[in-house]
Amino acid sequence: QVQLHQWGAGLLKPSETLSLTCAVFGGSFNDYYWTWIRQPPGKGLEWIGDINPSGRTNYNPSLRSRATTSMATSKNQFSLRLTSVTAADTAIYYCARSPPLLTGTPFDCWGQGTLVTVSS
Amino acid sequence: DIQMTQSPSSLSASVGDRVNITCRASQSITNSLNWYQQKPGKVPKLLIYGASSLQSGVPSRFSGSGSGTDFTLSITSLQPDDFATYYCQQSYITPYAFGQGTKLEIK
Repeated sequence: QVQLHQWGAGLLKPSETLSLTCAVFGGSFNDYYWTWIRQPPGKGLEWIGDINPSGRTNYNPSLRSRATTSMATSKNQFSLRLTSVTAADTAIYYCARSPPLLTGTPFDCWGQGTLVTVSS
Repeated sequence: DIQMTQSPSSLSASVGDRVNITCRASQSITNSLNWYQQKPGKVPKLLIYGASSLQSGVPSRFSGSGSGTDFTLSITSLQPDDFATYYCQQSYITPYAFGQGTKLEIK
């Protein structure tokens, strides 16, 4: 059964760069889209962006080009960088898997979440 | 960008009740609509994909319907484990968007 395990720094100062990595265990890496989603404390879910097996990326324009996703296929890992963070970026960040051949391309498997707090 | 609006935002119901949660897209998304359940402090869980397909392992009391702009998540015979927050999500076009959530509480 596939599992996603994510890690990264949990406390950042304003203007620093958020960096998170997600490792995929127990499943194929090359057959899925890999996604980042965030959830501010007590609020709803926001799609950040994704990367497909060929390395093509999509991002939420609301992040104003601050987000970058990448992947290391040899390690079955993918990563998120978010530059120039502010307090508004404080959230639980989730990595997730999306099977492109499944109707609706849902997020069917999620990492455990990483709380990232931005504070001076 | 496509906006997703859920109603109601909160709902009180009793064990054994049937509830419906609706989700409306600001433009047609065909059947590219997914539903998730999230309990406090937990990771969201996929319930329904492609508007009406039940994810493996999800109880059959959950069902989804709709297409175009209007969708419904139905839960029959509510169980104590079903009290949670539910989110719809469109995957028709990026940026993918979630509804604001519907919190289902015990009456």
